[in-house]
Amino acid sequence: DAGVIQSPRHEVTEMGQEVTLRCKPISGHDYLFWYRQTMMRGLELLIYFNNNVPIDDSGMPEDRFSAKMPNASFSTLKIQPSEPRDSAVYFCASRNTRGGEQYFGPGTRLTVT
Amino acid sequence: AQTVTQSQPEMSVQEAETVTLSCTYDTSESDYYLFWYKQPPSRQMILVIRQEAYKQQNATENRFSVNFQKAAKSFSLKISDSQLGDAAMYFCAYRSEYGGSQGNLIFGKGTKLSVKP
Repeated sequence: DAGVIQSPRHEVTEMGQEVTLRCKPISGHDYLFWYRQTMMRGLELLIYFNNNVPIDDSGMPEDRFSAKMPNASFSTLKIQPSEPRDSAVYFCASRNTRGGEQYFGPGTRLTVT
Repeated sequence: AQTVTQSQPEMSVQEAETVTLSCTYDTSESDYYLFWYKQPPSRQMILVIRQEAYKQQNATENRFSVNFQKAAKSFSLKISDSQLGDAAMYFCAYRSEYGGSQGNLIFGKGTKLSVKP
């Protein structure tokens, strides 16, 4: 199994630009999670999906952030417009209903200048 | 709401020695899962070990074992025969079995482990 796949691995952009992060979960997993990690705030859950439906988006910082899961094998996290305080590592993770383990992708390091 | 506390921001161990990382949690639920994740400098989050709350037996994975004390709400990780590759940030995490939070992992703030050669 290829594991959770994220792209890009690194993204550098200027303030005000749109950023799109991508995630492919492990095949057969029906839960997908987006996290953000910073030194100040640690790991934060942004949003998670079950069977492609958003279940809890209370962690999404503000309207500039949006996430979609159009099918079981693909999800995006979009920031528009981006701001320097959005600089962080963004992780995607997935798991299946029957299992307890959550598997993480390698993360996307986002830098907004 | 559930919380996870790791009271040791940093720990250090000599290579080949044993180290224990502490984790406590707060919950009113009886069924849940507990996990330890490792995050090396590569920043990849790696699952180390899991424990189901209904199991009395402590989980073990090679050199990694846990001491699960359900009544005390304690879940410590013991690393035996420490190796240089064990140097990383370690996160304790909780997952409920119930309700709307069923999908979510709640993480502690982490313990940074250094291994001295």
